[in-house]
Amino acid sequence: DIQMTQSPSTLSASVGDRVTITCRASQSISMWLAWYQQKPGKAPKLLIYKASTLESGVPSRFSGSGSGTELSLTISSLQPDDFATYYCQQYSSAPYTFGQGTKLEIK
Amino acid sequence: EVQLLESGGGLVQPGGSLRLSCAASGFTFSTYALQWVRQAPGKGLEWVSAINEGGEITKYTDSVKGRFTISRDNSKNTLYLQMNSLRTEDTAVYYCAKRMTTVTPGALHIWGQGTMVTVSS
Repeated sequence: DIQMTQSPSTLSASVGDRVTITCRASQSISMWLAWYQQKPGKAPKLLIYKASTLESGVPSRFSGSGSGTELSLTISSLQPDDFATYYCQQYSSAPYTFGQGTKLEIK
Repeated sequence: EVQLLESGGGLVQPGGSLRLSCAASGFTFSTYALQWVRQAPGKGLEWVSAINEGGEITKYTDSVKGRFTISRDNSKNTLYLQMNSLRTEDTAVYYCAKRMTTVTPGALHIWGQGTMVTVSS
């Protein structure tokens, strides 16, 4: 099974900050990685797929990069609506494991 | 509008069974693979199971193998998760989700609202 190690687990930042969340895979997943945003009591929302492709309707301040075993999500200028929990998921091979999540908090 | 609507959650005793359903609308159901993902209270997302378009190929996370069965009825546009021998650690919100692609590997772009399963005596 492919293990996904996501860091950091918690991130404190301010509106306007640039932040980066990283996922490391235990083996190469090529570009088969998605990033999701989840707010309390809600279902996850797809932000980015295939490592760097922005889902329709997602603001351009979100971007994804990387391939293989190290991939990242960057938010270029945090907005109040961005404070949430973020998860990566590999869909290269089953089981399609998620990272542990990163809770993005207001500093 | 593409929608997924889960049902069937509830309170069940350890060792009991429950069947979750996920009713789909707004897309050609038989064309897409589907998955179940769960989230224990206060915890992260955990992938549970997947099924291909025709229902012939199924996959499970190790902790549910032999206890859970994923299936689908393409004539009813409905996905199922039969959960047997339930354990307290199966307590979670269960989401069904649609894969965004039909052939190549795909992320999950449509999610249901979730249904809560509580396993407790």
